[in-house]
Amino acid sequence: AQTVTQSQPEMSVQEAETVTLSCTYDTSENNYYLFWYKQPPSRQMILVIRQEAYKQQNATENRFSVNFQKAAKSFSLKISDSQLGDTAMYFCAFVYNNDMRFGAGTRLTVKP
Amino acid sequence: EPEVTQTPSHQVTQMGQEVILRCVPISNHLYFYWYRQILGQKVEFLVSFYNNEISEKSEIFDDQFSVERPDGSNFTLKIRSTKLEDSAMYFCASRSQGHVYGYTFGSGTRLTVV
Repeated sequence: AQTVTQSQPEMSVQEAETVTLSCTYDTSENNYYLFWYKQPPSRQMILVIRQEAYKQQNATENRFSVNFQKAAKSFSLKISDSQLGDTAMYFCAFVYNNDMRFGAGTRLTVKP
Repeated sequence: EPEVTQTPSHQVTQMGQEVILRCVPISNHLYFYWYRQILGQKVEFLVSFYNNEISEKSEIFDDQFSVERPDGSNFTLKIRSTKLEDSAMYFCASRSQGHVYGYTFGSGTRLTVV
């Protein structure tokens, strides 16, 4: 079974600074998908960024980028120029076939 | 942008009662899911649904739970004889044929069992 580990329960960053959230996963599969979801205080799950395992190029979405290390089974999220609105829980998710599994989440606080 | 709609946003129920949580997935999506998040904890998979039948379910999804797509648009989760520990956020999600765009989640139903 696939497992997803987020080893940082909480993190904080100063506004305008850069922060990196860690995620590792365990799988024996080769073709899968990885996602980062943001959950603000409203509790809605919002897709931040996605990565296909067969793509070597790291995905980027504006201020959000990933460092995907397939051999190391690592999928970290970098947030540049952090904004107060980035304060939220961030969940890493692994998808293979019809199965999405989440990590335990990292609570990120952006400080003014 | 298309949305997954969940109703109600908050449901309070007496222990032992039955509840039905409703979801309207995105119209051209084919795969449907229910997830649960107990307050402050991780998001847990409950069940996936495709082609009018359950394709996978977790150990959480026991005989107390059932899902249905009664009319081709709604996707419901029924919880029979609710327990205090069923109190959680319940998220519905849907996706199209591929995984490229991820799962689209609804805004959740907060279930409180008293």
